[in-house]
Amino acid sequence: EDQVTQSPEALRLQEGESSSLNCSYTVSGLRGLFWYRQDPGKGPEFLFTLYSAGEEKEKERLKATLTKKESFLHITAPKPEDSATYLCAVRGNFNKFYFGSGTKLNVKP
Amino acid sequence: EAGVAQSPRYKIIEKRQSVAFWCNPISGHATLYWYQQILGQGPKLLIQFQNNGVVDDSQLPKDRFSAERLKGVDSTLKIQPAKLEDSAVYLCASAHGTGEGTEAFFGQGTRLTVV
Repeated sequence: EDQVTQSPEALRLQEGESSSLNCSYTVSGLRGLFWYRQDPGKGPEFLFTLYSAGEEKEKERLKATLTKKESFLHITAPKPEDSATYLCAVRGNFNKFYFGSGTKLNVKP
Repeated sequence: EAGVAQSPRYKIIEKRQSVAFWCNPISGHATLYWYQQILGQGPKLLIQFQNNGVVDDSQLPKDRFSAERLKGVDSTLKIQPAKLEDSAVYLCASAHGTGEGTEAFFGQGTRLTVV
């Protein structure tokens, strides 16, 4: 069965303290792994697409990487405005778009 | 480029009442999704349309939920009758297609409270 698991559920960082979020997946025929950011009361906002093992994408303080079984979202020197829930989603063989349960990030000044 | 539009933003109803949500996707996007997001959880796919045809509705509680996409553009999601456990945010998303790497874009969602 296709599955997406994110860890940790919650992460508290001090401003400037770098860390990584994990997304592990089991899916038939990966057709894309997607990272989204979700702020309270808003819909998810698209960040990155990855679909080949070894691929990396960067945007400001965020860097996403992909292996055959998992993806990492690295946050370098985070700021309070990076506080949000980060969601991982995968598209598999049947074009379903599955989400994980998310990692709630809190960055304290 | 205009984003995905949803209405209403908030809705409070009593259990056993009915409710409908509306979604207008990004122009030209053939794929439309409805998700249910319960507080503290990730979005759960309810139904996926490709143009005006249903691709996947395996997780849609069909005894009370229904959805349609007329003319392959706007879509409505209906709940009748509502239960307390239907309290959630209902998110609509659209994508240009379903090809490799095609991302989906989300609306702001409709927050439903069933009392």
